[in-house]
Amino acid sequence: AQTVTQSQPEMSVQEAETVTLSCTYDTSESDYYLFWYKQPPSRQMILVIRQEAYKQQNATENRFSVNFQKAAKSFSLKISDSQLGDAAMYFCAYRSTYTGTASKLTFGTGTRLQVTL
Amino acid sequence: ETGVTQTPRHLVMGMTNKKSLKCEQHLGHNAMYWYKQSAKKPLELMFVYSLEERVENNSVPSRFSPECPNSSHLFLHLHTLQPEDSALYLCASSQERISYEQYFGPGTRLTVT
Repeated sequence: AQTVTQSQPEMSVQEAETVTLSCTYDTSESDYYLFWYKQPPSRQMILVIRQEAYKQQNATENRFSVNFQKAAKSFSLKISDSQLGDAAMYFCAYRSTYTGTASKLTFGTGTRLQVTL
Repeated sequence: ETGVTQTPRHLVMGMTNKKSLKCEQHLGHNAMYWYKQSAKKPLELMFVYSLEERVENNSVPSRFSPECPNSSHLFLHLHTLQPEDSALYLCASSQERISYEQYFGPGTRLTVT
């Protein structure tokens, strides 16, 4: 079974600075998807960024980018120019190659990000 | 974000009550999911429906009973719950074979007294 590990329960960053959240996973599959989700205090889980394992190029979405190291099974999220609105829980998730017609996501325990002035 | 809606947003129920959680997705997706989110635990996948057929039941106690009458609606029927069932229940949907991302609803905060 796949596992996802987020070793940083809490992180803090100053506004306008850059922060990196780490995520490692364990799998025997070669083809899979990885996601970062954000859950602000409002509790709505929002997709931040996705990465297909077969793509070598790291995904980027505006101020959010990932460092995907397939051999090391590492998938870190970099947030540049941090804003107060970035304060939230961040979850890393792994999508298994599912035998059926639906996805199975395995989530990490999350990293709480604080953004300070 | 109104793509996936959940009602009610908050629910308090006694252990002998019967209640239902409702989820509706307006995204034209073909798969729907129920998750349980408890404090300091990873999200737990409870049920998966694809094309209205249940494809996974993750060893969930029978006091939780899902129902998917069509591809847009998903229910979670609750009866004789325990206090440890108090949690945030999240619904999600995805469009399989196209994008695979799951889109989540705002959740129902359930408290069992």
